[in-house]
Amino acid sequence: EIVLTQSPGTLSLSPGERATLSCRASQSVSSNSLAWYQQKSGQAPRLLIYGASNRATGIPDRISGRGSGTDFTLTISRLEPEDFGVYYCQQYGSSPRFTFGPGTKVDIK
Amino acid sequence: EVQLVESGGGLVQPGGSLRLSCAASGFTVSSNYMSWVRQAPGKGLEWVSVIYSGGITKYAESVKGRFTISRDISEDTLYLQMNSLRAEDTAVYYCAGEKWFREAGYYYFYMDVWGKGTTVIVSS
Repeated sequence: EIVLTQSPGTLSLSPGERATLSCRASQSVSSNSLAWYQQKSGQAPRLLIYGASNRATGIPDRISGRGSGTDFTLTISRLEPEDFGVYYCQQYGSSPRFTFGPGTKVDIK
Repeated sequence: EVQLVESGGGLVQPGGSLRLSCAASGFTVSSNYMSWVRQAPGKGLEWVSVIYSGGITKYAESVKGRFTISRDISEDTLYLQMNSLRAEDTAVYYCAGEKWFREAGYYYFYMDVWGKGTTVIVSS
């Protein structure tokens, strides 16, 4: 089973700053299988990125994803107030079908 | 507008049963791959189960043999029957609709549409 590790655990930043979130897989995975979600407190997760770098519908271009092999990155170029929350990376595999990372919390400094 | 609405959560004693429902609007449950994902209090996300558009079902090891995913085509509703519930099943349960894309002969899935969740508490 592939294990996803996310770092840092918490990122304290101010609006307008750049956020860089890391997701590392315990073994090499296809970049096509990597997705990112944002979850705000008390809400359901929302899809941001699929296939490592493809933005979901309605996701602004200040949010981008990249990576391959075992290392993936989600970047928010200029933080807006609505960007604060917890970010999860997810890998689509065979068993289990989906594996999630533990999350990175982005909060206001 | 696409919408998924879960219901059926509540307080149940250990060893008890509960059936969750996920009603869809603007979205056809039977034409899509549908998953259940749960989140224990203060914890991360855990995939629980999937039903393929063709009816095949898969489960996480933690719930295999205790949970059953199903759907009602006429009602366009997804279900999760949960039996032999344990304290560690306490969580918010989300239903999610999956999308896929194909590349180099392989299919890749991700969760595109989510409900707001329903809370299950297993406690005596």
